[in-house]
This record gives sequence, C-alpha cells and structure tokens, in this order.
Amino acid sequence: KNEVEQSPQNLTAQEGEFITINCSYSVGISALHWLQQHPGGGIVSLFMLSSGKKKHGRLIATINIQEKHSSLHITASHPRDSAVYICAAGSNFGNEKLTFGTGTRLTIIP
Amino acid sequence: NAGVMQNPRHLVRRRGQEARLRCSPMKGHSHVYWYRQLPEEGLKFMVYLQKENIIDESGMPKERFSAEFPKEGPSILRIQQVVRGDSAAYFCASSPAQGGTIYFGEGSWLTVV
Repeated sequence: KNEVEQSPQNLTAQEGEFITINCSYSVGISALHWLQQHPGGGIVSLFMLSSGKKKHGRLIATINIQEKHSSLHITASHPRDSAVYICAAGSNFGNEKLTFGTGTRLTIIP
Repeated sequence: NAGVMQNPRHLVRRRGQEARLRCSPMKGHSHVYWYRQLPEEGLKFMVYLQKENIIDESGMPKERFSAEFPKEGPSILRIQQVVRGDSAAYFCASSPAQGGTIYFGEGSWLTVV
C-alpha cells in the first residue's frame, strides 16, 4: 500500500465546475505539498502546507493533520487547469524525502 | 531570477554508455534534490545534497548511479553503463534551506536505446 494515496486517479469535468482532489497519507509529516505537472512534463509547486488552509487565485488547499488528509480545490475550472496534480508528503519539515502520490489526471472540457 | 535549470532536456544513450544530467539550482539555493519518474509511475526520491555533501542518498540505486553538488558549478546526476530500465524523467529541485519552499526544474528525459 502506497504511503500517499490520491483520489480520484482520473477526473474529467466541464469548464466552470468546482474540482476536488483528495490526498490521504499514512506517514508522519511536517508538511504536505501539492504539485502540478503539465503535459510537457514540467512540475510546478502549488502549495506547501502544514496546517489549515491556503489559497492562491482559484486554487485552495486544505489539510487536516489529525485525519492525515488534504484536499486541493479548483474553483471555476478552466481547460488550462488540465494537468496531473500530485500530492507529496514531506518529512523533516517539508523537504528532503518527499513521498509522492501517483497523481490525479484532471481534464477540463470546454 | 532564473528558476531551476536542468540540462539536457532530452538525452538519448545507447545501452552501456554514460549519462550525465545537470542541475543548476535557483540563485541562493544550497539544497538540491533529485527525483526519478519512471514511465507510468509516480515520482520517487533519489538523493538530497547540499554543497559538497550528500545528505541522504537512500533512494539511489546501489550501483551505477552517483550524484554530486560541488562547491562551484551545477549538481550532476551520473548514470554509468545505462540500461533500458534507466529510461525515465529525472527531476531536480532546490530550496534555500531545509523547510523552505521547493522549486522544481523542467526535468531531463533520458531514453536508453
């Protein structure tokens, strides 16, 4: 069993829909990362959070340390949001040996 | 301020050759991480380096793989005597300190033929 589990694996939605991607982890962490990987392959770090909630534009990330669960939300989704979203658990305060989920492939249809 | 720079972006090697992948961290960053993404698999940690020191190499294959981050110049991930199973995307990331925000490079795609 992977130490970091994401759901769903694939998600297709219409433009404008509210998107939620979930991440559960079994390892002890100090921070949880959300990453975005576009079809070209490059990876962008979206959020690093250790508690509560963070917001950047249309993206919101939340984490519940007690339940070992994090969610990434996208409001007013757009086709350019189509990408693979990856959560990663960071040991030792957020860096070093990130343990990655297998990713959620999001497709937004115009 | 340039981001994390990796080169080459794409590298083709024949079985048995050596592959060298370079990573220049963001300016001011002294922590470098290498990750590997095998086809149809998730990312896996390989090694964590600071200038002139390997901090954690627990994710590195025991043979043929090595990494360095010299005092001057980029970090190098070296794969000797490549095999087809080494074909993957290799990502470098850097941070200014342990616990700082981590920034990823665009990746280097190695194809072994």
